[in-house]
Amino acid sequence: NAGVTQTPKFRVLKTGQSMTLLCAQDMNHEYMYWYRQDPGMGLRLIHYSVGEGTTAKGEVPDGYNVSRLKKQNFLLGLESAAPSQTSVYFCASRDPDRGGYFGPGTRLTVL
Amino acid sequence: SQKIEQNSEALNIQEGKTATLTCNYTNYSPAYLQWYRQDPGRGPVFLLLIRENEKEKRKERLKVTFDTTLKQSLFHITASQPADSATYLCALDGEGSGYALNFGKGTSLLVTP
Repeated sequence: NAGVTQTPKFRVLKTGQSMTLLCAQDMNHEYMYWYRQDPGMGLRLIHYSVGEGTTAKGEVPDGYNVSRLKKQNFLLGLESAAPSQTSVYFCASRDPDRGGYFGPGTRLTVL
Repeated sequence: SQKIEQNSEALNIQEGKTATLTCNYTNYSPAYLQWYRQDPGRGPVFLLLIRENEKEKRKERLKVTFDTTLKQSLFHITASQPADSATYLCALDGEGSGYALNFGKGTSLLVTP
């Protein structure tokens, strides 16, 4: 039981490049989330999903897209990276009646 | 607007004492309130969840209280140890957003021997 895993762990991009962050969970959770964490800002919700095939915007969705084609996977895409997207990205999944499980994070730097 | 406020300053205590962290919120009617621990370079780890109709919850050396009238939660770590040093995050369910958690900015706890 691996919990929540994230790929990659680190990435450096140039402005304008694109990339996809992969999140996988093996707990059969319906609900999945992408957060970013910046110094002094705390964790902020980017997008979330309430089940396979569904996605919705969170607090800071601009510049990101997501897909949930399979229940266990939640992908976060950056189509044209900007320096303001330099951050640590966390994926999480949850059973509503219980706490959330977070992945180890992806540290992204955009130059 | 919705706000979750935690002690902004770091909390330094001696080993063996009880640490008490505060979480205040406004413009929320949460179904759940949760506490997480985060170590540097790692993802948050779930500690405790308390429901709106519960006043108190305990788990080993941890205790959480939830006062929906005051809109406040207190998180206690008794008999604190240096290994308890970390940042502690308070989180509430966002209304109408797929049970997404809204987090406070966290309180850094340092337990010294």
